[in-house]
Amino acid sequence: KNEVEQSPQNLTAQEGEFITINCSYSVGISALHWLQQHPGGGIVSLFMLSSGKKKHGRLIATINIQEKHSSLHITASHPRDSAVYICAVTGNQFYFGTGTSLTVIP
Amino acid sequence: KAGVTQTPRYLIKTRGQQVTLSCSPISGHRSVSWYQQTPGQGLQFLFEYFSETQRNKGNFPGRFSGRQFSNSRSEMNVSTLELGDSALYLCASSAESGSYEQYFGPGTRLTVT
Repeated sequence: KNEVEQSPQNLTAQEGEFITINCSYSVGISALHWLQQHPGGGIVSLFMLSSGKKKHGRLIATINIQEKHSSLHITASHPRDSAVYICAVTGNQFYFGTGTSLTVIP
Repeated sequence: KAGVTQTPRYLIKTRGQQVTLSCSPISGHRSVSWYQQTPGQGLQFLFEYFSETQRNKGNFPGRFSGRQFSNSRSEMNVSTLELGDSALYLCASSAESGSYEQYFGPGTRLTVT
């Protein structure tokens, strides 16, 4: 049983495309996190949200608490966006999705 | 501010040995969490320490333990190492316990032979 499900698992896009990664969860949460992991292992927290929508530059994250669903959007994708994007939720502990591997081709 | 640091970065151990990993959080952060990442299981939560007390614990055997010192630095110990313990071990710090933004360290890659 996976508390957090992400889709798609793999995604290849052309530079400039609009990208959406989806996350669904089954547990009660106090917050949802979107993380970015580049080859080599370093993880960066992109967003932490508990309601509504947040935007940082070309990245937008939304969450629908009633539907237990979140999306991460990347507008005008760039090769440097190539990474693994991981959805995680904070309930009584941290639960992680399996990640979405994104490759943006120039 | 300096980021989260972890030592050592790479480690090779033999089955049956034990290992201690160290994590220094961002200055002022009081919460340190530990995670294990493997290709098969992905990221999994090990435990969280806050003000020298374990706050939450994931579903790992008792061979995995940790502690936090008064300066918020944390150590994680794995005893009687198994081949399956080979993984990237990440720690993350946050200002407080609970739903706060996590700042991750670079990780310690442990290989058990």
